[in-house]
Amino acid sequence: DAGITQSPRHKVTETGTPVTLRCHQTENHRYMYWYRQDPGHGLRLIHYSYGVKDTDKGEVSDGYSVSRSKTEDFLLTLESATSSQTSVYFCAISRLPNYGYTFGSGTRLTVV
Amino acid sequence: DQQVKQNSPSLSVQEGRISILNCDYTNSMFDYFLWYKKYPAEGPTFLISISSIKDKNEDGRFTVFLNKSAKHLSLHIVPSQPGDSAVYFCAASAESGGSNYKLTFGKGTLLTVNP
Repeated sequence: DAGITQSPRHKVTETGTPVTLRCHQTENHRYMYWYRQDPGHGLRLIHYSYGVKDTDKGEVSDGYSVSRSKTEDFLLTLESATSSQTSVYFCAISRLPNYGYTFGSGTRLTVV
Repeated sequence: DQQVKQNSPSLSVQEGRISILNCDYTNSMFDYFLWYKKYPAEGPTFLISISSIKDKNEDGRFTVFLNKSAKHLSLHIVPSQPGDSAVYFCAASAESGGSNYKLTFGKGTLLTVNP
């Protein structure tokens, strides 16, 4: 398996608190992505990165921020968690843009 | 606006029969298409892909067909096995313009293969 790890795997947090999810890779891939999966919506892109300190918004970026200070780590922060951000979050990596991604195992986040 | 559409949320087939999963796209810039499979509590895994220069790609029991004029692709699984039961996502990308750096996914189709 490709070296991609998401942490934590599960988290329950309260509304209004900040939350940071971590994606760590050992493949030295340039491109990293954060998706959320929700019933009836499939996989929706939150933010992505095309290099260290190079990030851009996806289709559902409101309420989220990201940082990538080194190649191997891509952090997703919910600035003030809301119940609508209860979801399963997946990180993905790719060596080249627009081709096959390798996904992490996901983080199940519940906001109460 | 949904650029990749999987209009069937679910599909149920008998073991040994053919499973056909469909996907439509609206962006004419898309030129590379992929299928991912996802089991519960796991991340999606790559299954098969096809470039727009081809109309068919085969890998064992899995075949993807691309009809560019109709902006339609399909995944055929023959014969279907209970272990194929999963959610299947169609995805598309454009090498130049349109959707740089990222894949666009459909909503997924839940395939259930009954023994």
